[in-house]
Amino acid sequence: AQSVAQPEDQVNVAEGNPLTVKCTYSVSGNPYLFWYVQYPNRGLQFLLKYITGDNLVKGSYGFEAEFNKSQTSFHLKKPSALVSDSALYFCAVRDKRVNRDDKIIFGKGTRLHILP
Amino acid sequence: EAGVTQFPSHSVIEKGQTVTLRCDPISGHDNLYWYRRVMGKEIKFLLHFVKESKQDESGMPNNRFLAERTGGTYSTLKVQPAELEDSGVYFCASSFRGLYEQYFGPGTRLTVT
Repeated sequence: AQSVAQPEDQVNVAEGNPLTVKCTYSVSGNPYLFWYVQYPNRGLQFLLKYITGDNLVKGSYGFEAEFNKSQTSFHLKKPSALVSDSALYFCAVRDKRVNRDDKIIFGKGTRLHILP
Repeated sequence: EAGVTQFPSHSVIEKGQTVTLRCDPISGHDNLYWYRRVMGKEIKFLLHFVKESKQDESGMPNNRFLAERTGGTYSTLKVQPAELEDSGVYFCASSFRGLYEQYFGPGTRLTVT
């Protein structure tokens, strides 16, 4: 069964420092991987995806994520955090073997606090 | 281009009452999905429409939940009768057929008292 784990409920980072939000996945085949962000009182916003190709994918708002097949991880990163990055971040996965329109599976979410 | 919209944004109802949630997907998106997040838990898939047809409804919790997408445009999700455990945020998402990412609406926060 497909699953996603976000081991940290909350991550605190000082403004200007690099940030990492961790995600590991479990699928039977090759994965489609996603990061979404939810700002307060807003819906989920798509940040970036990994489908195939370069292991480092770049997304919105300066975020990037590194796909690591051997460690089954897809950590979200940003070189320099902003206070406005404070939000709830969700990692998600879909098994590449199934229909590309199929549902996606979400992690529990990690709350990111950027301290001024 | 307008994004996915959902109505209402909040709904507070008593146990046993009926509530209908509405989702308007992005124009031209054949795929429409409903998800739910119960407090502090994962966002869970409920069901998937392709146009007006139910492609996958494996996530629907029980027969108190009824989803429709007449004409393949907007969708409604009815909960009848509502129970306390139905409280949570209901998200709708849509995607263009064959496109990997799904675009989400702001959600409807349902509170059953």
